[in-house]
Amino acid sequence: NAGVMQNPRHLVRRRGQEARLRCSPMKGHSHVYWYRQLPEEGLKFMVYLQKENIIDESGMPKERFSAEFPKEGPSILRIQQVVRGDSAAYFCASSPIDEQFFGPGTRLTVL
Amino acid sequence: DAKTTQPTSMDCAEGRAANLPCNHSTISGNEYVYWYRQIHSQGPQYIIHGLKNNETNEMASLIITEDRKSSTLILPHATLRDTAVYYCIVRVSYGQNFVFGPGTRLSVLP
Repeated sequence: NAGVMQNPRHLVRRRGQEARLRCSPMKGHSHVYWYRQLPEEGLKFMVYLQKENIIDESGMPKERFSAEFPKEGPSILRIQQVVRGDSAAYFCASSPIDEQFFGPGTRLTVL
Repeated sequence: DAKTTQPTSMDCAEGRAANLPCNHSTISGNEYVYWYRQIHSQGPQYIIHGLKNNETNEMASLIITEDRKSSTLILPHATLRDTAVYYCIVRVSYGQNFVFGPGTRLSVLP
């Protein structure tokens, strides 16, 4: 059973560009969580999704950030008009219900 | 804010047991204690979780005090590969995100 997959593993964008981060949950998992980890800091919750629904987005910045988890395909975290402060590691976790299993993360660098 | 407090760092000799404490004095009756670890900059790895009874799996043991206000994660025979940041988190069992604190940076020394 493959683990949680994230791609790309590394992403470089210039200020003002868009970043799209993808997360494929483990087979059979219908819950996805996104977390962000700034350099030298802990993980911070961003958003919790189930298939086609956003359940909790209390950790999402109000502007430029959006997330989706369509019926088919991976979950997408989209960051529009990136700024240098968006540089971080973005982790997704999938869950059947209880414990969460984390992917390897996407490291976003904004130049 | 995290509902747990952990020591900032700990050292452990290779081959010895590593005992990582965690205080969660405000834990409520339906909250579980979870432990994760993050090795270098990898994604957090699930270790173990429990409600009130002690738990053991192939990675570790979890000892929860009777009043549930604190717990200890035990790695019975620490290896160099166990060097990581260990996070203790309390949460209801489902449908809720994890709130990560700063964790304990465990260094296993040769």
